[in-house]
Amino acid sequence: AQSVTQLDSQVPVFEEAPVELRCNYSSSVSVYLFWYVQYPNQGLQLLLKYLSGSTLVKSINGFEAEFNKSQTSFHLRKPSVHISDTAEYFCAVSDAGNNRKLIWGLGTSLAVNP
Amino acid sequence: DTEVTQTPKHLVMGMTNKKSLKCEQHMGHRAMYWYKQKAKKPPELMFVYSYEKLSINESVPSRFSPECPNSSLLNLHLHALQPEDSALYLCASSQDPTGGFNEQFFGPGTRLTVL
Repeated sequence: AQSVTQLDSQVPVFEEAPVELRCNYSSSVSVYLFWYVQYPNQGLQLLLKYLSGSTLVKSINGFEAEFNKSQTSFHLRKPSVHISDTAEYFCAVSDAGNNRKLIWGLGTSLAVNP
Repeated sequence: DTEVTQTPKHLVMGMTNKKSLKCEQHMGHRAMYWYKQKAKKPPELMFVYSYEKLSINESVPSRFSPECPNSSLLNLHLHALQPEDSALYLCASSQDPTGGFNEQFFGPGTRLTVL
């Protein structure tokens, strides 16, 4: 069965520093990959998605993630973080053959300090 | 309209109360979902409705009863809940559950406290 591992439960970082949040999934069969962000006391927002095509996907607020099939990874990066990026980040995977269910990682809490 | 709305935002109820959570979307999506989320944890899938029919029930206790009156609305009826049911309840929708890609759009959630 598919599983998702987010290697870091907490990532503290200073403002304007680069950050990488790591995500690995278990199965190499056809998958869709997602990063969701949850700001304090809010619902989940889709940050990035990989469906097919270019392995590098970018968001409008400076985040990017790269799909690496050989390493079954979908790491999230930002070259310079802001205080407002403080949030919980969840990586999720959907099997192409069972697309009603998202398989979630445990989340990474990003804390951006001044 | 590209959002999922949920009411109420907050709900406090006793263990003998009956209450309902409501979710609405006007994106023409044909799949709707209920999730339960504890603090700092990923959401846990509870139910999936596909074309207004219940397609997935993740072994949820019967004190939670979902209802899909039409393609835009999803309710979650609550009865005789336990304090451990206190959580953020999230609704989501997606376009076509029988198609290939199925991005889920989430509402802001209802924060439920059971006393």
